[in-house]
Amino acid sequence: DTGVSQDPRHKITKRGQNVTFRCDPISEHNRLYWYRQTLGQGPEFLTYFQNEAQLEKSRLLSDRFSAERPKGSFSTLEIQRTEQGDSAMYLCASSPVGQSSYNSPLHFGNGTRLTVT
Amino acid sequence: KQEVTQIPAALSVPEGENLVLNCSFTDSAIYNLQWFRQDPGKGLTSLLLIQSSQREQTSGRLNASLDKSSGRSTLYIAASQPGDSATYLCAVNNDMRFGAGTRLTVKP
Repeated sequence: DTGVSQDPRHKITKRGQNVTFRCDPISEHNRLYWYRQTLGQGPEFLTYFQNEAQLEKSRLLSDRFSAERPKGSFSTLEIQRTEQGDSAMYLCASSPVGQSSYNSPLHFGNGTRLTVT
Repeated sequence: KQEVTQIPAALSVPEGENLVLNCSFTDSAIYNLQWFRQDPGKGLTSLLLIQSSQREQTSGRLNASLDKSSGRSTLYIAASQPGDSATYLCAVNNDMRFGAGTRLTVKP
């Protein structure tokens, strides 16, 4: 168990550029979640996948944001035309298959810190 | 819409003290509640998960309780240590509505 891996750890970009983040969940975890966290706040849910299917998207996920999990393993989160307000920590989490996935603990990666200048 | 609130926002205690962190939620129809720890600049580490049918969970010096009817959970930390200094977050269900956290400082 190597844990949830996120890449890159830090990203600095200029306003208007596109960025893409990658998340590798713990193997055999079929659920994968994306969150955004700003300073002094708890994480805000963005979206989650069960295998390759994107099952829920928050209204926070504007049309500039897109997430994929093409083969049900790693996932990418892309932000197009970045804005300064997109500056935040983007966290990925995964959870294992259980009798009830609602009672499986989440395992988080260390996040990708995005700074938009 | 589920709202999760954590009180206090920050807490500073001397080493060795027992302490309680509070988490409240507005919708009692939950599947589970999870407590996390977050160190600066890092992701979240799961501490305890309480299923909706349970009233408490224990792990070492940590004990979490759940009272669904009143919409409350508490995290009890016994004999606090400087290494416990971190932000503690609670979250409800696996779509995970998080509180803003309690920033704990344990002074040696």
